[in-house]
Amino acid sequence: DVKVTQSSRYLVKRTGEKVFLECVQDMDHENMFWYRQDPGLGLRLIYFSYDVKMKEKGDIPEGYSVSREKKERFSLILESASTNQTSMYLCASSLTQNSNQPQHFGDGTRLSIL
Amino acid sequence: GEDVEQSLFLSVREGDSSVINCTYTDSSSTYLYWYKQEPGAGLQLLTYIFSNMDMKQDQRLTVLLNKKDKHLSLRIADTQTGDSAIYFCAETPDSNYQLIWGAGTKLIIKP
Repeated sequence: DVKVTQSSRYLVKRTGEKVFLECVQDMDHENMFWYRQDPGLGLRLIYFSYDVKMKEKGDIPEGYSVSREKKERFSLILESASTNQTSMYLCASSLTQNSNQPQHFGDGTRLSIL
Repeated sequence: GEDVEQSLFLSVREGDSSVINCTYTDSSSTYLYWYKQEPGAGLQLLTYIFSNMDMKQDQRLTVLLNKKDKHLSLRIADTQTGDSAIYFCAETPDSNYQLIWGAGTKLIIKP
């Protein structure tokens, strides 16, 4: 089974802090994704990566950056956390660029910015 | 742009069938997915259907696709309390491997 692991289930940080959310997958997947989930808005794509050191902006990249130095790890960075970034963050991965490969998700990180 | 629409809530009695509906706008969709999210958890892939199929059945789950009307449904037979969750519909445009997501339907089970 595919395993996508997010480093924290719950995280509390202060406004202005630099925040790192880590995600690791163990199935040699090419693609990795970061979403945020807010009530009534569904999932919104922040950034994705289709290869090591490659990244693409999603629908809401402002205030975020990402890093993919190794194939198995995709990090989401909040450069200067703000209260409107309080949300559930979900990491996902998929095998290849073929459209028939479903995305597999981690358990999510619930981030609160005070 | 592409869009996927779902109702936000569905309430059914335990033991009845649940039918969760989804409409999408992208006529070039290749795969359509149903994901389940239990409280406090990530998303779990339930099932998916290729766009050249009309129906797919997997135990208590039946997926129906009406490509002409761009309508997808998920039927859960004999709904149980463990089915209480948010169900997300998503589709893959032919042009890339991203997913276009619906907002999710919260399934509420009444005893």
